[in-house]
Amino acid sequence: ETGVTQTPRHLVMGMTNKKSLKCEQHLGHNAMYWYKQSAKKPLELMFVYSLEERVENNSVPSRFSPECPNSSHLFLHLHTLQPEDSALYLCASSQESGTGGYGYTFGSGTRLTVV
Amino acid sequence: GQNIDQPTEMTATEGAIVQINCTYQTSGFNGLFWYQQHAGEAPTCLTSTVLDGVEEKGRFTSFLRRTKGYSYLLLKELQMKDSASYLCAVTDSNYQLIWGAGTKLIIKP
Repeated sequence: ETGVTQTPRHLVMGMTNKKSLKCEQHLGHNAMYWYKQSAKKPLELMFVYSLEERVENNSVPSRFSPECPNSSHLFLHLHTLQPEDSALYLCASSQESGTGGYGYTFGSGTRLTVV
Repeated sequence: GQNIDQPTEMTATEGAIVQINCTYQTSGFNGLFWYQQHAGEAPTCLTSTVLDGVEEKGRFTSFLRRTKGYSYLLLKELQMKDSASYLCAVTDSNYQLIWGAGTKLIIKP
C-alpha cells in the first residue's frame, strides 16, 4: 500500500455507460494527478490539481471529466468512451504541483476495458 | 519534440547482472528518475539523480551522463522478484516530467 488508493482496481464498461474512478490519499499532499498508461507507451499526463484547483489539462477529450472535491480525493468521471480508451489509469500525488516528479506517490491504478 | 528511448523488453537470468539503458532529448534537465512497476501495481521510485555519476542503492545502481543525454540502471544479483517494468523519466526545464515507454524485464531461473 503506497498511501494512494484507487478504486475500482478493474472496470469493464460499455461505450454508452457512465462510470467514475476514485483516488484517495491521506499523505497530506496538495497536488493530485491523473495519468493514462497504455501498453508500450509512455505515461500520459491527463490532469493536474493543486489545492483542488485544476492547473493543467493536457488536451484530454471531454468524455473524461475530473473532479477534485478536496485535497484528499480525486475522481475521473467517464462517459461514452471508445475502445481506444482501454488502459491503466494511474493516480498520483505530491506535496506540491510543479515539482517535476520529485516526491510523487502513485496508486496501483484502475485497469479499464471499454467494450 | 521531447523524447526518451529505452528498450521495450529484456531477458536475464536469476543471479546475473542486467543493464537497462535510457537516452533522452529534452528541453533542459532538472533530474532523472528510474521507477519500478510490477504488473498490476503502482510505479515506485528507485532512484532520482541530478548530477553526473553513479548512485548505488542496494542491488540497484543508476548512472547519469547529462552531456550525452544518457542514463542506465544496473541490477545486480537478479532475483525473480525483479521481474517488472522499469520506467525512465526526466524532468525538463519547465519541471514537466517526460516518461519513457518502459522496459519489461523478464527474469528466468
